[in-house]
Amino acid sequence: DAGVTQSPTHLIKTRGQQVTLRCSPKSGHDTVSWYQQALGQGPQFIFQYYEEEERQRGNFPDRFSGHQFPNYSSELNVNALLLGDSALYLCASTPGRFGGYTFGSGTRLTVV
Amino acid sequence: DAKTTQPPSMDCAEGRAANLPCNHSTISGNEYVYWYRQIHSQGPQYIIHGLKNNETNEMASLIITEDRKSSTLILPHATLRDTAVYYCIVRVEPGAGSYQLTFGKGTKLSVIP
Repeated sequence: DAGVTQSPTHLIKTRGQQVTLRCSPKSGHDTVSWYQQALGQGPQFIFQYYEEEERQRGNFPDRFSGHQFPNYSSELNVNALLLGDSALYLCASTPGRFGGYTFGSGTRLTVV
Repeated sequence: DAKTTQPPSMDCAEGRAANLPCNHSTISGNEYVYWYRQIHSQGPQYIIHGLKNNETNEMASLIITEDRKSSTLILPHATLRDTAVYYCIVRVEPGAGSYQLTFGKGTKLSVIP
């Protein structure tokens, strides 16, 4: 049974560009959350998607947006990349909005 | 902000018990204590959670003080593969409206051969 799958695993982008990260949730999970983890810090909540809608959002600017598809997979989009957006981006899925989290291994984004 | 306080780092000899403390003095009555760990370059992994009673599973034991203001995660026989950052998180019970996990910086546990 596959867990949470994220792609790509590593990505290098230039400041000002846009990036799209992808996440496939664990089988049986319908809710996806995204977290940003800067080097040496704990993960920070970005937002959660359930039933194809953003249900809750952390303290992140509108440059961060997302989407959830009917098959429950999700994308995280970041526009106008800044050097400070360099981080590990983690996707987590849950069975329902309040279930136990399963995290993916993340996408390492480097902005140069 | 995280509602927990953990030491930034700890060492433990391989084969010995690792005891990781966590202070959560402002915990509310409906908040659970969760523990996750993150091995280098991987996503966080759920370990255990509890409300007020001590809990044990195949990975660890969780001891919560009677006043619930602190807890200890116990790895009974630490191995090199237990080297990781351990996060203590308080979270309202599932279904009570809190969707996110609020991580602090955690404790970096190094298991020494």
